[in-house]
Amino acid sequence: DGGITQSPKYLFRKEGQNVTLSCEQNLNHDAMYWYRQDPGQGLRLIYYSQIVNDFQKGDIAEGYSVSREKKESFPLTVTSAQKNPTAFYLCASSIVGGPQETQYFGPGTRLLVL
Amino acid sequence: SQKIEQNSEALNIQEGKTATLTCNYTNYSPAYLQWYRQDPGRGPVFLLLIRENEKEKRKERLKVTFDTTLKQSLFHITASQPADSATYLCALDIRAGRRALTFGSGTRLQVQP
Repeated sequence: DGGITQSPKYLFRKEGQNVTLSCEQNLNHDAMYWYRQDPGQGLRLIYYSQIVNDFQKGDIAEGYSVSREKKESFPLTVTSAQKNPTAFYLCASSIVGGPQETQYFGPGTRLLVL
Repeated sequence: SQKIEQNSEALNIQEGKTATLTCNYTNYSPAYLQWYRQDPGRGPVFLLLIRENEKEKRKERLKVTFDTTLKQSLFHITASQPADSATYLCALDIRAGRRALTFGSGTRLQVQP
């Protein structure tokens, strides 16, 4: 059963705390992405990675960090520097190159601040 | 930088009618333009991709057009059903520059029975 999994579904963060969102895929995709979605808004790119051990900043990388040590995994850490972290976080993956680079999304993690 | 505009107002139509959603973009001409469907609280799901050298693409009741002169894509759902109610996002795949999609804010479609 191929796909992308994200955990947890809901995550609560206390002020000053770092939290890590998990994203795993078994689609054998090289590229992985993290997006943030605020209510009534589109998706904004946080970070993306085209290959293991390499990643690029997106439009709103400040206050976030990522790692890509394995092809299947692309965890996102929301640091205490991110002052407004409440949002819906979506992870996606895609092939690199070829005629189509459609993105496959996970179910999302909703982050709330206590 | 690339900007994408989708009608932020919800589109309400009667069942059986054709829904038409608009996606306008500025600046760069994308190699591809993609449409996704998003249900509340879920991740987007890919629907259709159209390339810069294609004028029209169809899939069952869905049709996408791409006018690079107008910098616009239209997304049509014919014989709409209440189950088509969702938010529809367009996304651009810009080859010149970073290799990541830029998404519009989406248009919410409500099909009334």
